[in-house]
Amino acid sequence: TQLLEQSPQFLSIQEGENLTVYCNSSSVFSSLQWYRQEPGEGPVLLVTVVTGGEVKKLKRLTFQFGDARKDSSLHITAAQPGDTGLYLCADYMDSSYKLIFGSGTRLLVRP
Amino acid sequence: DAGVIQSPRHEVTEMGQEVTLRCKPISGHNSLFWYRQTMMRGLELLIYFNNNVPIDDSGMPEDRFSAKMPNASFSTLKIQPSEPRDSAVYFCASTSYNEQFFGPGTRLTVL
Repeated sequence: TQLLEQSPQFLSIQEGENLTVYCNSSSVFSSLQWYRQEPGEGPVLLVTVVTGGEVKKLKRLTFQFGDARKDSSLHITAAQPGDTGLYLCADYMDSSYKLIFGSGTRLLVRP
Repeated sequence: DAGVIQSPRHEVTEMGQEVTLRCKPISGHNSLFWYRQTMMRGLELLIYFNNNVPIDDSGMPEDRFSAKMPNASFSTLKIQPSEPRDSAVYFCASTSYNEQFFGPGTRLTVL
């Protein structure tokens, strides 16, 4: 069974700081997705990456996919309180419908 | 579109009582998922429907849990009898291509 490990588990930073969170898989990703879940809400898809070495940018968020497609990182530049939430990576297990989630990184950005 | 709608948003019940959670997927989405989220276990897939038919219920914890999808616009997740260890946030999600759209969740507390 594929396992997704995310680090760090918790991160508390000051507004304006940069940060990076990581997602590592025990096997090659089929199609890696990053979600953000705000308190009291469901996860919302941020990005899907498929190709090894791929880099995608979404405003202040930069997503990198490892060449071997077993790891990924999410970098946030100049974090804002609105970035607070739980960041989850996920993969479609065996390219099926079943989405496997990592345990998440809980980010708090203090004003 | 209103997105995925779940009700109730919060449910507090006593051990042994029957609990019914409701979900209205996004119109036109033909796949529906029920998840459970806890601090200890993260997001877990309980059951998956495609075109109203249950395809995979291997994540349903035990016989106390049941789910139905009588039509394309409505699904229920029932727990009978409920136990304190069922306390969690339950999410419903519907799918368009490879993106899952989550509802806001139902926070269930079983006393």
